[in-house]
Formats: sequence, C-alpha cells, structure tokens
Amino acid sequence: QQQVKQSPQSLIVQKGGIPIINCAYENTAFDYFPWYQQFPGKGPALLIAIRPDVSEKKEGRFTISFNKSAKQFSLHIMDSQPGDSATYFCAANNFNKFYFGSGTKLNVKP
Amino acid sequence: DAGVIQSPRHEVTEMGQEVTLRCKPISGHDYLFWYRQTMMRGLELLIYFNNNVPIDDSGMPEDRFSAKMPNASFSTLKIQPSEPRDSAVYFCASSAGQVNGNTIYFGEGSWLTVV
Repeated sequence: QQQVKQSPQSLIVQKGGIPIINCAYENTAFDYFPWYQQFPGKGPALLIAIRPDVSEKKEGRFTISFNKSAKQFSLHIMDSQPGDSATYFCAANNFNKFYFGSGTKLNVKP
Repeated sequence: DAGVIQSPRHEVTEMGQEVTLRCKPISGHDYLFWYRQTMMRGLELLIYFNNNVPIDDSGMPEDRFSAKMPNASFSTLKIQPSEPRDSAVYFCASSAGQVNGNTIYFGEGSWLTVV
C-alpha cells in the first residue's frame, strides 16, 4: 500500500514556467512533509519542508502549499530554470519513519 | 561535516555472491536508514536504527538481506546470496531525529548490479 501518492510521473516546462507537483496521503498521523530533489547519480537532498499547522511555506523560488483537510500538498517552482531539472520526491513522516512518493522527473527546457 | 559516506559507490557481482554495503552516518546523528531505489518501486525503506538498535526491519525483502550497526559510526547491509533482482541503488541516510526537524540526509548511494 502506497502511503504517499505523487503526480505527475514526469513534467516538461519551458524556462520561466511554474511546474506544480502534487502529493496526497491518508495517514493523519503524519506530522512532517519534506520535499527532496535528486540529480542523476546523487542521493536525494532536502529542498523544503512543512508541518501540518502551516498552509504555505516559501524558500526562494520553491513553495509548498498544504491542505490539511484534503490531505494534499504540492510543490511549486517559480521562474523555473534548466538547473532545476531533476527528480523530485515528496515524503511524509511519522515517528521518524519516512514514506516517499514515487517521484516526478522534471525537465525544464531552455 | 563530510555527510553520509557510503562504499562502494559501484559494485558489479555475480549471482550467488555475497555483497556488503557500508555506511558511515553523519557524526552525532542517532538514526540510520537503509533505502533501496529502483525504477519500479521508487524509494523503499528497508530498515532503520536508533542508537544502533534496529527499530523497524519490516522492509527487508527476505532473509537474504541483513543489516548491522555495531557502533554509532558504522553500518552494513549484506545480501547473501545475491540475485539479479537485487540490482538497485542502495542509499544510507542519517538523521538527528526531532533535534533537526526530522531531516534525513542521504549518502550518494551504492549502485549494485548483480549479473
């Protein structure tokens, strides 16, 4: 059973576009929702994270929107750049156990 | 800090051989995780330790897989005997738990190919 469902599987945008990646979860005990960025040949690296008592968090060009009632959260990348091309994973945490989404491969075209 | 260090980075082995993957977590972190990444199943948690004690090994695929953490700075994941379906990238990650907001830090992975 997949604890965190992520979509889309892949995404292509033009430079300057705003890709949006969505995740949904069922377990209301999750209390921490990070997003990870992974480049080819590298391990995932923390990008931005949010807790369920906050509806939005911004860090630079990256924004998480969180809808607790719908049990959904999403990542928006403002003014996307070719260097943002990577695979993005959402995750949810409960008691130090992380559940990851299936990943979204983003391609930002110049 | 050097981050989470994994070795080997790449390994090609024949079916039936024993494989040992190694991990050095970030100093001071008391949680250590082993993940497996494949195209089909994404990132799967295999096992995690807290203070060197295995807490949850429900993700370990079968008895061929075993993990140990003899001290706070070293862990191994062993596959014996290895099979072609074990081919994947194996990530070790560590965390200081609630102290740093539950952030987990990944190593660069061990790319395993079993032929």
